[in-house]
Amino acid sequence: NAGVTQTPKFRILKIGQSMTLQCAQDMNHNYMYWYRQDPGMGLKLIYYSVGAGITDKGEVPNGYNVSRSTTEDFPLRLELAAPSQTSVYFCASNVEGGNQPQHFGDGTRLSIL
Amino acid sequence: QQQVKQSPQSLIVQKGGISIINCAYENTAFDYFPWYQQFPGKGPALLIAIRPDVSEKKEGRFTISFNKSAKQFSLHIMDSQPGDSATYFCAAYSGAGSYQLTFGKGTKLSVIP
Repeated sequence: NAGVTQTPKFRILKIGQSMTLQCAQDMNHNYMYWYRQDPGMGLKLIYYSVGAGITDKGEVPNGYNVSRSTTEDFPLRLELAAPSQTSVYFCASNVEGGNQPQHFGDGTRLSIL
Repeated sequence: QQQVKQSPQSLIVQKGGISIINCAYENTAFDYFPWYQQFPGKGPALLIAIRPDVSEKKEGRFTISFNKSAKQFSLHIMDSQPGDSATYFCAAYSGAGSYQLTFGKGTKLSVIP
């Protein structure tokens, strides 16, 4: 059972480039989340989804986009990368919302230079 | 404002000692309080969680103490071990119209032999 799988694990981008961070889960979870983690700042929610075709903004959505065409996949798109988006990105999923354990992937470390 | 304040930012404890991490919140609508443990290079994983109808929950060496009137909760790690060295995040969730967990900024625990 793979759980939540994130790819790539590391990536370096140049300012202005775009990329998609991939997230897939095999637990048939309806709810999926994207967080960013910056040193000493905890985890900030970027976007979340409560099911295929349904997404909503979290606390820090600017500069990002998401889509949810299937239950399994929840990609995060960065358009026009900026140095402020240098961070570690985590994808998570759970059965039905915030009061259930969230299962996290191992993250994507992204540097924008 | 939906904030969870966590302290200390870092903590060094000798093997066999007690580690204590504290969190405070403002929003009285929060009704679920999980703690997540994160090892370097990995995503956070649920450690233990409590709801406000109980004042304490214990799982092995890990105990959450909850003070509803003071709007505070804490994690106690008894007989701390080097393998407990990790970053710990408290979080809070309100079921009132939100699917979001609000995380504290984290505490880096180092348990020295």
